[in-house]
Amino acid sequence: EIQMTQSPSTLSASVGDRVTITCRASRTIGSWLAWYQQKPGKAPKLLVHRASSLENGVPSRFSGSGSGTEFTLTISSLQPDDFATYYCQQYQSYWWTFGQGTKVEIK
Amino acid sequence: EVQLVQSGAVVKKVGESLKISCKASGYNFTNYWIGWVRQMPGKGLEWMGIIYPNDSDTRYGPSFQGQVTISVDKSITTAYLQWSGLKASDAAMYYCARWKPGFGPWGQGTLVTVSS
Repeated sequence: EIQMTQSPSTLSASVGDRVTITCRASRTIGSWLAWYQQKPGKAPKLLVHRASSLENGVPSRFSGSGSGTEFTLTISSLQPDDFATYYCQQYQSYWWTFGQGTKVEIK
Repeated sequence: EVQLVQSGAVVKKVGESLKISCKASGYNFTNYWIGWVRQMPGKGLEWMGIIYPNDSDTRYGPSFQGQVTISVDKSITTAYLQWSGLKASDAAMYYCARWKPGFGPWGQGTLVTVSS
């Protein structure tokens, strides 16, 4: 089973900050990685697939990068609507696995 | 509009059986895998398994193999997740989601409460 480790677990930031979340895989997964945003009491929302492909309708301040074992999700200028928990997910091979999540809090 | 609508919250007792549903609309149901994801209270997301409605090819995560059954009824574009005997540890929110790749969109979630 491929383990996905996100860092940090919690991140405190202000509106307008540039924010970077890292996701590391226990072995190489190519570009088979997705990122999700989840707000309290809501279902997750897909932001990025295949490591860097932004979903339709997702604001361009979000971007994904990386390949192999190290990946990042960057929010170029944090907006009030972005305070949420973010998860990465690998789908290189069954069994698919999620990272433990990164909570982005208001500083 | 692509939509997944899940069945409502349920309260069950330990040992009881349960089948929850996920009704898909707005796309060709048989062309996309549908997955199930568990979220225990205050915890992260866990991939349970995925099914291809066209031929019912199903894959399970290691923690869920033999513990749950994923199925579909193509005639009513609905996916199911079922338990034959609930445990207290099955109490969680369960989401279905279409695989694009990447899971999207998601159902609204079904809260399963298990009492002893």
